[in-house]
Amino acid sequence: DQQVKQNSPSLSVQEGRISILNCDYTNSMFDYFLWYKKYPAEGPTFLISISSIKDKNEDGRFTVFLNKSAKHLSLHIVPSQPGDSAVYFCAASGYNTDKLIFGTGTRLQVFP
Amino acid sequence: DTEVTQTPKHLVMGMTNKKSLKCEQHMGHRAMYWYKQKAKKPPELMFVYSYEKLSINESVPSRFSPECPNSSLLNLHLHALQPEDSALYLCASSQDGQGFVSGNTIYFGEGSWLTVV
Repeated sequence: DQQVKQNSPSLSVQEGRISILNCDYTNSMFDYFLWYKKYPAEGPTFLISISSIKDKNEDGRFTVFLNKSAKHLSLHIVPSQPGDSAVYFCAASGYNTDKLIFGTGTRLQVFP
Repeated sequence: DTEVTQTPKHLVMGMTNKKSLKCEQHMGHRAMYWYKQKAKKPPELMFVYSYEKLSINESVPSRFSPECPNSSLLNLHLHALQPEDSALYLCASSQDGQGFVSGNTIYFGEGSWLTVV
């Protein structure tokens, strides 16, 4: 049972445009969400996170939106750059637990 | 410095071998993790150590044996593995073992690629 799902395995976006990566979850007990970026042959790198008490968190070109009623979050990257090409994982955690559940990942390709 | 160092980067072992994966962090973090990642799959949690005590074991087979000698080091001892255990093994750390709501983040190493032949 996949509790965190990223239904788009891949996304292709032109440089300078907005990239929107989506993530859905099923467990209403999740209350903290993180996005990671992963290049081939490297470990995941933390990008941005959001607590369930917020609906938006912004850090530079990256913004995460959380819709608790829909159990949906999204990562917006604007403007997209070729260096953003990587696999993006969303991850979720419940309160006071070290267990982080990862989604299946979306491969983003930003072309010139 | 947000670095988690894993060695070796690549390991090929036979099914009767005994080997170990090593992980080190010097960020003063008190929680350390082992994740396993197969190709085109998300990372899956194996073990969590919090303050040098095993706090989570995700029903991992006993052929994987974790060890936390001190707060900076985490080992994964491997014995009698199967070819299906071939994967990327990721070590990670976070500030403490109190979850992520307070703003904790997990920092990952680059991983150790394990091939079992």
